[in-house]
Amino acid sequence: DSGVTQTPKHLITATGQRVTLRCSPRSGDLSVYWYQQSLDQGLQFLIQYYNGEERAKGNILERFSAQQFPDLHSELNLSSLELGDSALYFCASSVALRHPYNEQFFGPGTRLTVL
Amino acid sequence: GENVEQHPSTLSVQEGDSAVIKCTYSDSASNYFPWYKQELGKRPQLIIDIRSNVGEKKDQRIAVTLNKTAKHFSLHITETQPEDSAVYFCAANTGANNLFFGTGTRLTVIP
Repeated sequence: DSGVTQTPKHLITATGQRVTLRCSPRSGDLSVYWYQQSLDQGLQFLIQYYNGEERAKGNILERFSAQQFPDLHSELNLSSLELGDSALYFCASSVALRHPYNEQFFGPGTRLTVL
Repeated sequence: GENVEQHPSTLSVQEGDSAVIKCTYSDSASNYFPWYKQELGKRPQLIIDIRSNVGEKKDQRIAVTLNKTAKHFSLHITETQPEDSAVYFCAANTGANNLFFGTGTRLTVIP
């Protein structure tokens, strides 16, 4: 157990719908990262938050957005869902932003299926 | 931005043999190179990492080497066991301390 929690574990929805994925980082971790992993694909970095502020964006679609709350949990919002959005979404957390050796701890993931 | 390439995409070895996975990166500012193991349907888990101030690091049957001049790093697994079968990802950090991952290597250890 990495200490990072994600809910829900599984999510099945229809095209055009909107969903929210939730992540709670490890205690003490200020940085949260979101990744998308499609079937048999690698990990695509989506977005990073640090202490409530967006710090970096990767390959995140405009239909997707995220935020980090004062209690440091984060939510990833996916809207106007398409079949191709079906994937495993991971959240990871790390201690700080500029620590040189910043191990990222991954949550168990949320498997999203869009029908 | 950072670009990480990983080879091979699949690798099959006999139990007891060694396995080597290689990665190259593009951003010369990268200074942290972790390797993650992901079993089917599970989270990626860090198995070893190396910083830019060292050339090699070992942890039991696993070792990682780094060549900063050539911008490549490799994972070596010796005396492979069936439980080593998984997908392995290399990664390199960027200035914002994000990790960019390679595309993964599916390792199969044949008993």
